[in-house]
Amino acid sequence: DGGITQSPKYLFRKEGQNVTLSCEQNLNHDAMYWYRQDPGQGLRLIYYSQIVNDFQKGDIAEGYSVSREKKESFPLTVTSAQKNPTAFYLCASTHGTGELFFGEGSRLTVL
Amino acid sequence: GDSVTQMEGPVTLSEEAFLTINCTYTATGYPSLFWYVQYPGEGLQLLLKATKADDKGSNKGFEATYRKETTSFHLEKGSVQVSDSAVYFCALGLYSSASKIIFGSGTRLSIRP
Repeated sequence: DGGITQSPKYLFRKEGQNVTLSCEQNLNHDAMYWYRQDPGQGLRLIYYSQIVNDFQKGDIAEGYSVSREKKESFPLTVTSAQKNPTAFYLCASTHGTGELFFGEGSRLTVL
Repeated sequence: GDSVTQMEGPVTLSEEAFLTINCTYTATGYPSLFWYVQYPGEGLQLLLKATKADDKGSNKGFEATYRKETTSFHLEKGSVQVSDSAVYFCALGLYSSASKIIFGSGTRLSIRP
């Protein structure tokens, strides 16, 4: 089945640790995105990538990093520089029309 | 910068009432506009879209018209049902460079039987 797979679904991190969230798609989409969803704040764009080896900062990129070494993969690292990392993270992709296909999300909790 | 502003929720209506959820945007260039919906316990899915001024997107009885003069894309439905209870997100897509897509804060809609 085609789709977007995010892992892990739940993740706990101690303060000061970096963690990496995985996002893989087999839809052959060029563009991929990472969003953060907090209650009452909608989805905020962290990073996005149109093609392999290229990505752009979104509105809240500070404390996050990404890579795009393969078309199907767009991992997000939440670094220790991110001051308030507890949130629900959504990965998405599109074939160019703007219709985003979302993964099921990863919930990160900082202990 | 580019942004999307939605009316704040929650919005509570009785079944068969008329629905409007306001959405306005600020963008450079000519964005595409979208409404996404998140039903309870489910992921986000596209509800409708419009790619140029005066286009009307429609789906499942919902409609929205791309108004360039007022930079708006308000969502409407003539008669809501309990099954329409969900969170609705307005979004815009900018394709001038690298396909940036940004969302509004979402509006929670609850429909009373």
